[in-house]
Amino acid sequence: DAKTTQPPSMDCAEGRAANLPCNHSTISGNEYVYWYRQIHSQGPQYIIHGLKNNETNEMASLIITEDRKSSTLILPHATLRDTAVYYCIVRPPMEYGNKLVFGAGTILRVKS
Amino acid sequence: DTAVSQTPKYLVTQMGNDKSIKCEQNLGHDTMYWYKQDSKKFLKIMFSYNNKELIINETVPNRFSPKSPDKAHLNLHINSLELGDSAVYFCASSQGLAGNEQYFGPGTRLTVT
Repeated sequence: DAKTTQPPSMDCAEGRAANLPCNHSTISGNEYVYWYRQIHSQGPQYIIHGLKNNETNEMASLIITEDRKSSTLILPHATLRDTAVYYCIVRPPMEYGNKLVFGAGTILRVKS
Repeated sequence: DTAVSQTPKYLVTQMGNDKSIKCEQNLGHDTMYWYKQDSKKFLKIMFSYNNKELIINETVPNRFSPKSPDKAHLNLHINSLELGDSAVYFCASSQGLAGNEQYFGPGTRLTVT
């Protein structure tokens, strides 16, 4: 079962930052937070992951709270093409088999 | 170049038939996966292979038989198709069992009538 809780949907204005929250209150010390997204009719796409420090790449930033019980994915300047389902996933770093457990995710709608 | 490709993209068949879905990755990865996304949109892992060895089998009915002829290919054969097998099937790959990033294919939409 998924170990994360996300809001079912969010709206964001084009050009504004999209902040997607995720609760993972039962996360263990060696478990990473991963974010994937799935644009309609496509396969999931990796976005970013982190353990305890904030992370940034060309797509997004990941902010993890100090107690690691929640995190926020930030898309700094959302575009219409960022409309997708965003999945927050918790998994151990060396889990045998590298299994991703997807929850329901958050539907992000970017509107012009 | 497509990193992870699947064929066919759409598959419509009748109950009781046997069908196969093929997956190929050109990323040089050694681990491949099959996921199933049902009508409620939940994605669930079915199998994973590392260096052609089965690592994960998530209590999938034995009508489903994955085959990995080499590290770049992971095919899924389904016997005696049932209505409940209708779903989108995604192939993915990563480097190693603890690979950070999984690359997904475009999916195969299977419809069983």
